[in-house]
Amino acid sequence: GENVEQHPSTLSVQEGDSAVIKCTYSDSASNYFPWYKQELGKRPQLIIDIRSNVGEKKDQRIAVTLNKTAKHFSLHITETQPEDSAVYFCAAGDGGGADGLTFGKGTHLIIQP
Amino acid sequence: GAVVSQHPSRVICKSGTSVKIECRSLDFQATTMFWYRQFPKQSLMLMATSNEGSKATYEQGVEKDKFLINHASLTLSTLTVTSAHPEDSSFYICSALGFPNTEAFFGQGTRLTVV
Repeated sequence: GENVEQHPSTLSVQEGDSAVIKCTYSDSASNYFPWYKQELGKRPQLIIDIRSNVGEKKDQRIAVTLNKTAKHFSLHITETQPEDSAVYFCAAGDGGGADGLTFGKGTHLIIQP
Repeated sequence: GAVVSQHPSRVICKSGTSVKIECRSLDFQATTMFWYRQFPKQSLMLMATSNEGSKATYEQGVEKDKFLINHASLTLSTLTVTSAHPEDSSFYICSALGFPNTEAFFGQGTRLTVV
């Protein structure tokens, strides 16, 4: 089955700086890579996703890059703000969604004022 | 985005009793629903996948007789934790996938505490 590794487990950055979270996956059949933001005790919220037919996707301050050859993908947050503080999870799965998602262990992002 | 409603949000039960958690897709038909478990400060772990009208598929290590899943309609899936024990205390989250398969939408989760 799929195995997703996520680093770092904790990331502390100064407000306004950029944050980068990296994930690797093992199953070359995976073709859908979403990123979720989860605040304590709440449901994960999809913030951005990418499919294997593109290498990069951007939405305002958030961008995701995908390297299928190396089987890794990354989340980039620029101009970080206090409200970006949360736990972020990467995931990998079948783009059709039928097999569910395999999640990374999460990154606790702390934005220092 | 689509709305998935999960109830209850919190439940405390005595050891040995059973607890039912409901997951409803409110504005779309969910052909597939997933049940995840999340322990404190840990990741989401897929427990099982349910397709409407058929038996659920359980992940390795998940006891199907303990975690009963029913997906009787295209808008409702239930997870019943039978004979609950304190080690079953966790955050359980469902997600629903519509047709055609696109993004999976999460319920708000259920915090189960077994005392």
